[in-house]
Amino acid sequence: AQKITQTQPGMFVQEKEAVTLDCTYDTSDQSYGLFWYKQPSSGEMIFLIYQGSYDEQNATEGRYSLNFQKARKSANLVISASQLGDSAMYFCAMREGTGRRALTFGSGTRLQVQP
Amino acid sequence: ETGVTQSPTHLIKTRGQQVTLRCSSQSGHNTVSWYQQALGQGPQFIFQYYREEENGRGNFPPRFSGLQFPNYSSELNVNALELDDSALYLCASSFRGLTNEKLFFGSGTQLSVL
Repeated sequence: AQKITQTQPGMFVQEKEAVTLDCTYDTSDQSYGLFWYKQPSSGEMIFLIYQGSYDEQNATEGRYSLNFQKARKSANLVISASQLGDSAMYFCAMREGTGRRALTFGSGTRLQVQP
Repeated sequence: ETGVTQSPTHLIKTRGQQVTLRCSSQSGHNTVSWYQQALGQGPQFIFQYYREEENGRGNFPPRFSGLQFPNYSSELNVNALELDDSALYLCASSFRGLTNEKLFFGSGTQLSVL
């Protein structure tokens, strides 16, 4: 089974509008962390936001917020007031358990912001 | 900028050759991990080093090997290159690599195997 599922290969959004990128995850661990990264065409993965499994509040970082629904195992990224510079690949990732563990990434969503 | 630098940025090799990719971690970070990202896919974990010892490994064959040096820089070595090894190789570092710590990624090395 896929650990991280991103069902939207591509998304379009108008500049200044909000957009939601979907992510569902699968784990039997009680302790885990969920991350979103942005990858522009330059290739570098840029950290956007983090949500811990025990965090009761949804994480927010500027224009980014994470809609965390633990029972549904979903961790959707919401970008408010989209900008042209937001056009990129977006990856959802999970680190399971405690200790030094790897990140497991989804297949990504390509977001294109139109003027 | 994350402070993680990788070299070279691009590399072309032929099947059967060996390649070494290099990574300089962000200052103060003692955990480094390597990921392979094939075209159109998410990154796949290769292995992780913590204080110069391999600390975890993904589903990659032994011809993928690595080193971490006392200054926490790192190398990824791939022997007997295959066409499917063509990918973007990403290095990432973190202070301790714990559950809630984000990874800082470099811009990657684009490897083409012909």
